[in-house]
Amino acid sequence: GAGVSQSPSNKVTEKGKDVELRCDPISGHTALYWYRQRLGQGLEFLIYFQGNSAPDKSGLPSDRFSAERTGESVSTLTIQRTQQEDSAVYLCASSSMGGTGELFFGEGSRLTVL
Amino acid sequence: AQSVTQLDSQVPVFEEAPVELRCNYSSSVSVYLFWYVQYPNQGLQLLLKYLSGSTLVKGINGFEAEFNKSQTSFHLRKPSVHISDTAEYFCAVSAKGGYNKLIFGAGTRLAVHP
Repeated sequence: GAGVSQSPSNKVTEKGKDVELRCDPISGHTALYWYRQRLGQGLEFLIYFQGNSAPDKSGLPSDRFSAERTGESVSTLTIQRTQQEDSAVYLCASSSMGGTGELFFGEGSRLTVL
Repeated sequence: AQSVTQLDSQVPVFEEAPVELRCNYSSSVSVYLFWYVQYPNQGLQLLLKYLSGSTLVKGINGFEAEFNKSQTSFHLRKPSVHISDTAEYFCAVSAKGGYNKLIFGAGTRLAVHP
């Protein structure tokens, strides 16, 4: 597609439920990032995928969070047993290069945990 | 590791006035520096970036930033702002060399008033 696509755009869930967020990067982009943006705060790095290399999971806040990516295409971020503090906008970005290049961001998935 | 400090969480300014959004970074290695903008209800987009060379970098929409290595700063400036510049601005840093994830500051909300 023309840009990074994320779904759902909004998700309201009950505490303890699992949620899955999807990211469709720009075609041909080898790098894919997930960030979390809590209300009024900056972007918190979660995970990075680069081609077939092992992902950098150093930003995942707990073992309830996991992410997968198939090749250089779609990625899913899964949050198990959601907690209220998981409420945030989850942003996905892709890039044709890692670190030095421009990141192209999706519009985010807003997660609200009741 | 790298870190970014945006010194002002909010900057109110009148239309056509100049503005400076301040950013300081910390790193033990050489870095690349970025400014991203997030308009209301939209994803982030790149304003400008410093990779090497001239320390004065020009970006989109009349913004520019100057890299100051001795002061570890990368302040964003615009000589005359418009209402449409109202947005959240994020400074970001990554270490040079290979893949290095982008670390973001907490953001500065620029509010332009008529």
